[in-house]
Amino acid sequence: QKEVEQDPGPLSVPEGAIVSLNCTYSNSAFQYFMWYRQYSRKGPELLMYTYSSGNKEDGRFTAQVDKSSKYISLFIRDSQPSDSATYLCAMNSHQFYFGTGTSLTVIP
Amino acid sequence: DGGITQSPKYLFRKEGQNVTLSCEQNLNHDAMYWYRQDPGQGLRLIYYSQIVNDFQKGDIAEGYSVSREKKESFPLTVTSAQKNPTAFYLCASSIERLGSYEQYFGPGTRLTVT
Repeated sequence: QKEVEQDPGPLSVPEGAIVSLNCTYSNSAFQYFMWYRQYSRKGPELLMYTYSSGNKEDGRFTAQVDKSSKYISLFIRDSQPSDSATYLCAMNSHQFYFGTGTSLTVIP
Repeated sequence: DGGITQSPKYLFRKEGQNVTLSCEQNLNHDAMYWYRQDPGQGLRLIYYSQIVNDFQKGDIAEGYSVSREKKESFPLTVTSAQKNPTAFYLCASSIERLGSYEQYFGPGTRLTVT
């Protein structure tokens, strides 16, 4: 079983839609949870990170962690074409573990 | 302007040649990493270093070598022993800050071996 599972998509939504991206994990020792955005042929960019359970909001982005279910989510409100990218979840205990990424396209 | 630089952006080599990818950071981060990214496989850890003059193998270290002589620099050599070297290579660095870990990536080097 992989440490981190992420649906690769692709996900295609109209502009203005709410996007929900999700990951599940198996290791209950994970304490730090991150979301990265990666544009084509670029390095991943750290979007948000959270510690333990709960929600964190930053502009149009909300990161949610449910440690009891071993499930994390990233919500994007009022999605824009510039949000079209691959989104990677990541987790950390003593090492970083990454999901395979979900490809998102926001259609104008 | 703080960040991680990788050079070159694109690299082409003939099979059987060793090639070295550069990674420099001016973030004053202690830890540095090398990942390989292939379509559909996510990021796979090649090597990491938590301190100067020390480094550890990651999940797919075979056919690669690194050095960490300076805090700012962590070059990766892809040797001729690496069976499938064509990939997108990402360097990263991380810092522990008030109990959280933040990892930042460079722009990547796309290596093509023919």
